[in-house]
Amino acid sequence: AQSVSQHNHHVILSEAASLELGCNYSYGGTVNLFWYVQYPGQHLQLLLKYFSGDPLVKGIKGFEAEFIKSKFSFNLRKPSVQWSDTAEYFCAVNLDGNNRLAFGKGNQVVVIP
Amino acid sequence: SQTIHQWPATLVQPVGSPLSLECTVEGTSNPNLYWYRQAAGRGLQLLFYSVGIGQISSEVPQNLSASRPQDRQFILSSKKLLLSDSGFYLCAWEKGVGAEAFFGQGTRLTVV
Repeated sequence: AQSVSQHNHHVILSEAASLELGCNYSYGGTVNLFWYVQYPGQHLQLLLKYFSGDPLVKGIKGFEAEFIKSKFSFNLRKPSVQWSDTAEYFCAVNLDGNNRLAFGKGNQVVVIP
Repeated sequence: SQTIHQWPATLVQPVGSPLSLECTVEGTSNPNLYWYRQAAGRGLQLLFYSVGIGQISSEVPQNLSASRPQDRQFILSSKKLLLSDSGFYLCAWEKGVGAEAFFGQGTRLTVV
């Protein structure tokens, strides 16, 4: 079945540490890829997305993600996290031409001041 | 500007009772609409999506159903709730493949 995988559901790190969250998908065709973030008590909001062009995508708040087609991956990175990055992060995928938007299980990230 | 309304915010229902959660979108036309269930450690589970009036795709067999009687209205229903239907339900819309999705505030459903 087509799926989106996120590992290491709980991540705890200190401020200024680097963050990398993995996302793998099992779709075989052209895909559109997203990272969403949910800050405590807030709605899900878009962090960044990729659907064509440069596989290295820059998002808001210093986040970036790299699409590696050969690895079916779209990992999220931030070189130096802040306490305000404490949130849950979700990877999402839809197959080009298909309206089904599927999410991974999420990564709960806690940044310790 | 576009907005999405989802209600009620919280709901406590007895086992065996019916359910109707409503979601409406304003400020856009012909959106793609979604119902998700969010659970800790399980992320967002896609339940239903719709690309147009009367067009519903179901992701998982379950006790729930969805309907889209109008272009910007998406309803999640059940005839008889089960304890396992308890959860946090989110409605979302987007304007096409590759577009950003926007989420409602969610409904916390507790079946007792």
